[in-house]
Amino acid sequence: AQSVAQPEDQVNVAEGNPLTVKCTYSVSGNPYLFWYVQYPNRGLQFLLKYITGDNLVKGSYGFEAEFNKSQTSFHLKKPSALVSDSALYFCAVRDVITSGSARQLTFGSGTQLTVLP
Amino acid sequence: SAVISQKPSRDICQRGTSLTIQCQVDSQVTMMFWYRQQPGQSLTLIATANQGSEATYESGFVIDKFPISRPNLTFSTLTVSNMSPEDSSIYLCSVTQFGITYEQYFGPGTRLTVT
Repeated sequence: AQSVAQPEDQVNVAEGNPLTVKCTYSVSGNPYLFWYVQYPNRGLQFLLKYITGDNLVKGSYGFEAEFNKSQTSFHLKKPSALVSDSALYFCAVRDVITSGSARQLTFGSGTQLTVLP
Repeated sequence: SAVISQKPSRDICQRGTSLTIQCQVDSQVTMMFWYRQQPGQSLTLIATANQGSEATYESGFVIDKFPISRPNLTFSTLTVSNMSPEDSSIYLCSVTQFGITYEQYFGPGTRLTVT
């Protein structure tokens, strides 16, 4: 079975400071990992993904995430937070068992990020 | 990425009635999915909409309650039947595109309130 955990329901950070939103996962095969953001009264917007290759992936709006296989983590980061980054962030994982065979996307519980001016 | 629209964007319905939500994509897509997001919760997959055949439902969801259609590669509907206040949620359409491995995109959602 696959699962993903976001241990923090809420993260507060001051504008201009670096931010980290944590995510850990569990899969039986190879993980495809994703971050999505949800602004109030909006759908989910895709931020970035890790499929293979470089462990540090860069995405939209200056966000990046680091894949750490030994710690089974995929934390979302940004060097300097903006007030406009305040939103609900979801980590998701897809367990790829064999080529062409993958389970459905599983989402974490979400982390509410608040950037304080 | 695919541009996904949903209708209606929100609705307030009385218990016992049904609502059909439409999902339209601006390009052909491989797969279409329907998710539910209950208030303050994460996303839960309801079903995969299969073109020309019955949808594939996840555990806990049944066709009588959530009938789904997908007549072509760009359009799908989800009906929430015999609604109760527990059905109050955001319902999201999601797609994967040809040639983009496993990347999934989401529509803006339909916010449903059942009174």
